[in-house]
Amino acid sequence: DAKTTQPNSMESNEEEPVHLPCNHSTISGTDYIHWYRQLPSQGPEYVIHGLTSNVNNRMASLAIAEDRKSSTLILHRATLRDAAVYYCILRDVVLGNKLVFGAGTILRVKS
Amino acid sequence: EAGVTQFPSHSVIEKGQTVTLRCDPISGHDNLYWYRRVMGKEIKFLLHFVKESKQDESGMPNNRFLAERTGGTYSTLKVQPAELEDSGVYFCASSRPLRLAGGPANEQFFGPGTRLTVL
Repeated sequence: DAKTTQPNSMESNEEEPVHLPCNHSTISGTDYIHWYRQLPSQGPEYVIHGLTSNVNNRMASLAIAEDRKSSTLILHRATLRDAAVYYCILRDVVLGNKLVFGAGTILRVKS
Repeated sequence: EAGVTQFPSHSVIEKGQTVTLRCDPISGHDNLYWYRRVMGKEIKFLLHFVKESKQDESGMPNNRFLAERTGGTYSTLKVQPAELEDSGVYFCASSRPLRLAGGPANEQFFGPGTRLTVL
């Protein structure tokens, strides 16, 4: 499975945008970029995914570099409830079913 | 729609004992996964069921772990005998059949996990 690299932790102020980066220089053509997050004392939950184009949903936006070797998860207005560990995961659309988690980024949100 | 449920939420057992964890997936989800996070480590995949069949069990650590999904509904994960290094949080997840998932996301829905402590 292709690997991703994320910062260990980031901090944000409430109501401000947050940009969570992810590097995936060895991404292959059949890899989708998925983001999951894990809130305290809960199981992981899906946030967003994309292949080449930028994506938006009710939770976040995903900006994908033109060469696909990096991506950024954007939370437009961070709230205290967004404090979580965010995981950037590459998932092969043909082979992939399991999720391969890295260490993720711990996001702290200050009020 | 009810989410993925896991039972028990916590289990404390002695080394050498047996423990059985249960997972009830979302109704209609053919795919069921087990993951675990042991102390200080990342969440690791254990195995994947499609209905009652084991699709991928490459992550099962050893033969002390036995997963079943009789009838393709709920699943159990038995650890026998439990060792100290089995302590951690065991997560179950489920997802729709690929033909119904609407594309490659095939989002996995996770349960809250079972925290297992082996003393």
